[in-house]
Amino acid sequence: GQQLNQSPQSMFIQEGEDVSMNCTSSSIFNTWLWYKQDPGEGPVLLIALYKAGELTSNGRLTAQFGITRKDSFLNISASIPSDVGIYFCAGSEQGAQKLVFGQGTRLTINP
Amino acid sequence: DTEVTQTPKHLVMGMTNKKSLKCEQHMGHRAMYWYKQKAKKPPELMFVYSYEKLSINESVPSRFSPECPNSSLLNLHLHALQPEDSALYLCASSHEGNQPQHFGDGTRLSIL
Repeated sequence: GQQLNQSPQSMFIQEGEDVSMNCTSSSIFNTWLWYKQDPGEGPVLLIALYKAGELTSNGRLTAQFGITRKDSFLNISASIPSDVGIYFCAGSEQGAQKLVFGQGTRLTINP
Repeated sequence: DTEVTQTPKHLVMGMTNKKSLKCEQHMGHRAMYWYKQKAKKPPELMFVYSYEKLSINESVPSRFSPECPNSSLLNLHLHALQPEDSALYLCASSHEGNQPQHFGDGTRLSIL
């Protein structure tokens, strides 16, 4: 079945640093999504991407849909304590009702 | 605040009990989903409803029984669960089946 490889699995950074994480797929996706999940809560949609090469920002977050349609990355600039959490990438094929999730990147920030 | 509301937030039940999880959305979405999430893992799809009809069942055991009474509500009926069914159960919805999904905060289920 489809698999998403998300890396890194965890990150330990200092407050103020920039963060980068990425996902690669074994198949072509038509949609890439990035979610953040805090403890005790459901995943929150951060950014949705629909076209190869698309670069979209949401505040300090920037995500890109890879040209090959098999990868995506998420950057967080100038990290702050509330950025702590687990970030999931997710993708779907053309017309698919199912999302494929990455394994998540756990972000920890040292003040 | 999430626009997908799940109740209860926490549920503890014995293996012989029958209980139901509820999910409600008022965003006019026509696709609704149930996921199971174990600690430190991504959500795993269980069921998909599209226009109030079950469209995907990911080979979920029959002790989990979904129901979609109308376009805003989604239930998950539980019966004779096992300890390994303890997890966070998430509901999600989207405009159509291939649109971004919006999640509720889940029900934390513990099976004694």
